[in-house]
Amino acid sequence: QSALTQPPSASGSPGQSVTISCTGTSSDVGGYNYVSWYQQHPGKAPKLMIYEVGKRPSGVPDRFSGSKSGNTASLTVSGLQAEDEADYYCNSYAGSNTFGVFGGGTKLTVL
Amino acid sequence: EVQLVQSGTEVKKPGESLKISCKGSGYIFTNYWIGWVRQMPGKGLEWMGIIYPGDSDTRYSPSFQGQVTISADKSISTAYLRWSSLRASDTAMYYCARPMYSGSYSAFDIWGQGTMVTVSS
Repeated sequence: QSALTQPPSASGSPGQSVTISCTGTSSDVGGYNYVSWYQQHPGKAPKLMIYEVGKRPSGVPDRFSGSKSGNTASLTVSGLQAEDEADYYCNSYAGSNTFGVFGGGTKLTVL
Repeated sequence: EVQLVQSGTEVKKPGESLKISCKGSGYIFTNYWIGWVRQMPGKGLEWMGIIYPGDSDTRYSPSFQGQVTISADKSISTAYLRWSSLRASDTAMYYCARPMYSGSYSAFDIWGQGTMVTVSS
């Protein structure tokens, strides 16, 4: 079972939008609507930002949105703010044998 | 308040055994899966495995099968991650996490604070 593929880095200026992709296979991302995204600041535990492809937990700004097409999921951060600078990881359910797999992570830089 | 509290920092030598813990509170421990996630220094999150404390059903990532043992003691609402013989490459932060819904997995919304394990001679 391979990790999901994310770009190592992404960047944008304050106020701009940035989209991070997460590519898997029909056995994970493409097979289930259980894609989630996590934000991790240095030295902190991950924080859930998006679940079930495009749903936001309570308290997560609506600047964060998620979508999926085929085997690729995407996280879009609109109206970038300095505090959005962090590492972002996607995750997908991958069947009942192992349950889950993470992406390699994307470092988002706010210029 | 729903929370997961993990055991403290560990410093061990290669070949030693280790068991770290994750105690759940504020919810019915037996009704939710508990997952373990590794993060090596400067690296990304890796899915290790997941256990259902209600019946100890456990699923491992192929990369970690046979390398670690995940268990749970429902009488004290605690999940464990155990190594029988540590290697330097086990040096990492280990997180436990709980899914959003009882009895199933869609995403982890509750995370422990992490346990740092350092293995060095």
